[in-house]
Amino acid sequence: GAGVSQTPSNKVTEKGKYVELRCDPISGHTALYWYRQSLGQGPEFLIYFQGTGAADDSGLPNDRFFAVRPEGSVSTLKIQRTERGDSAVYLCASSLNQGNEQFFGPGTRLTVL
Amino acid sequence: AQSVTQPDIHITVSEGASLELRCNYSYGATPYLFWYVQSPGQGLQLLLKYFSGDTLVQGIKGFEAEFKRSQSSFNLRKPSVHWSDAAEYFCAVGDYKLSFGAGTTVTVRA
Repeated sequence: GAGVSQTPSNKVTEKGKYVELRCDPISGHTALYWYRQSLGQGPEFLIYFQGTGAADDSGLPNDRFFAVRPEGSVSTLKIQRTERGDSAVYLCASSLNQGNEQFFGPGTRLTVL
Repeated sequence: AQSVTQPDIHITVSEGASLELRCNYSYGATPYLFWYVQSPGQGLQLLLKYFSGDTLVQGIKGFEAEFKRSQSSFNLRKPSVHWSDAAEYFCAVGDYKLSFGAGTTVTVRA
């Protein structure tokens, strides 16, 4: 079956612009996670959805970051007024339920010029 | 707070030699522990996980890891590496909210 997919694979934007990153989880997975991986670092947790609701958004760095999952499947990570420090690979993962193995997508590489 | 330390940033190993990657964790309860591998341009792939039970865990691609509570460690091992094992390896701890180490890059020389 299909794995977790993320679009776009690469996104280049200018400082101050708004971006949206999309994640399609594995069908039937109720839990969805966003992580951010900066160069030379491990992934850092951003937010976790159980169904349609954000069960834990404690990893979002500030209020410029927001994520939604309106129908409990696809999720969109939204970043307003992008800054150069937002440049990173944004990873999405899904799992059957909370606590099960997380399957990761290939990531979206965001570059803010 | 939960955290992971991977003391080795980079390891070079000869093909056919054994490999051990170190991982130390901090976690408030019985930990869920994971090892992931990331190849260039690829997503993270789970090698193995520890939830409970036998402290020696077998994973994919011939990897194994041993959970040692007294040392707060979860080291990854492979008896004989292949050139295709060259990648970055991440140790992680957590329930739904995974905390990852900074990773260890493995280079395999012929």
